Amino acid sequence: AQKITQTQPGMFVQEKEAVTLDCTYDTSDPSYGLFWYKQPSSGEMIFLIYQGSYDQQNATEGRYSLNFQKARKSANLVISASQLGDSAMYFCAMREGRSTGFQKLVFGTGTRLLVSP
Amino acid sequence: EPEVTQTPSHQVTQMGQEVILRCVPISNHLYFYWYRQILGQKVEFLVSFYNNEISEKSEIFDDQFSVERPDGSNFTLKIRSTKLEDSAMYFCASLTGEVSGMNTEAFFGQGTRLTVV
Repeated sequence: AQKITQTQPGMFVQEKEAVTLDCTYDTSDPSYGLFWYKQPSSGEMIFLIYQGSYDQQNATEGRYSLNFQKARKSANLVISASQLGDSAMYFCAMREGRSTGFQKLVFGTGTRLLVSP
Repeated sequence: EPEVTQTPSHQVTQMGQEVILRCVPISNHLYFYWYRQILGQKVEFLVSFYNNEISEKSEIFDDQFSVERPDGSNFTLKIRSTKLEDSAMYFCASLTGEVSGMNTEAFFGQGTRLTVV
């Protein structure tokens, strides 16, 4: 079974609009963390935002916010006021608790976001 | 800001040749990882390393792969006899010693693009 599911292979948004990238996850571990990374065409992995399973509030980092719905096991990334530089691949990832090892990251298949002028 | 450094950025090698990918993790980090990303696909965990030994490895990490930390700073991934399907981007990542903190995102290097011909 997939641990991390990103159902949107590609998304389009106009500059200055908001966009939501979907991510659902599957785990039986009560302790886990959810991450979003951005991968531009140059290839590097850039950390964007983190949400812990016990966090009471949704995480926010500048224009990025995470819509965490624990009961639905979803952790959608919201990018507000899109910019042309936001065009990239976006990966959702999960790190389960220490019971499964030294906290490796498990990634989804990614969503390619294209921001148009 | 501290960063994970990988060399080379791009390596082309002939099938059957040995290749060594190098990484310099962040100096006070204790957990080290290799991930790979075949072109257009998701990022996959290969191996984690702690206290000078492998702590976890994936099914991908077979006998052709090895890791070591020869001098306390470099962290290397060796592929003994490369195959065409080893062509991928290889990412090194490191994590602080604060294992109890789930919000410690892995710091990724910029990647080494390996092309096997």
